[in-house]
Amino acid sequence: AQSVSQHNHHVILSEAASLELGCNYSYGGTVNLFWYVQYPGQHLQLLLKYFSGDPLVKGIKGFEAEFIKSKFSFNLRKPSVQWSDTAEYFCAVNTGNQFYFGTGTSLTVIP
Amino acid sequence: DTAVSQTPKYLVTQMGNDKSIKCEQNLGHDTMYWYKQDSKKFLKIMFSYNNKELIINETVPNRFSPKSPDKAHLNLHINSLELGDSAVYFCASSQGAGYYEQYFGPGTRLTVT
Repeated sequence: AQSVSQHNHHVILSEAASLELGCNYSYGGTVNLFWYVQYPGQHLQLLLKYFSGDPLVKGIKGFEAEFIKSKFSFNLRKPSVQWSDTAEYFCAVNTGNQFYFGTGTSLTVIP
Repeated sequence: DTAVSQTPKYLVTQMGNDKSIKCEQNLGHDTMYWYKQDSKKFLKIMFSYNNKELIINETVPNRFSPKSPDKAHLNLHINSLELGDSAVYFCASSQGAGYYEQYFGPGTRLTVT
């Protein structure tokens, strides 16, 4: 069965630190990849997405992610986090009609 | 203007009851979804409808029944509620099935006592 793994369950960083959240998936075919964010008490919002082309995609609020096909990975990065980035981050993979979400990474940014 | 709305936002009920959660989207999207998010924040798709037709029906108890009266609405009816049904239920919509971005509703927090 297809799956999406997010290895970091809970990350705590100080403001201005760099962030990298891992995401790996298990599916051999063509995939579309997403990162969603869920701020405290809010619904999920799209950060960025990859369908094709340049494997380095840029999203909102300074986030970017790199698709490495050989590693089945789509890691999320941000050079300098802010307190307002405190949220749950979800990686998601679409394999056609099926959508799979990772278990999420809780990010806490300390001022 | 709320793109994807759900009612109610909170729902507290007793075991054995039947309840419904409503979802509406005003984005003109063809596809709608129901997700369940458990206490550990794990998000799992339950159902997906495309143009009022069921296209994904994950392994969920048959006590859960989705109903799509039209393209803009996808309601979730739950019979004989159990303690394990306590979760946050999210509705989402997208322009189509496949690689389109999903827009999520605010969620319905269901607590079964």
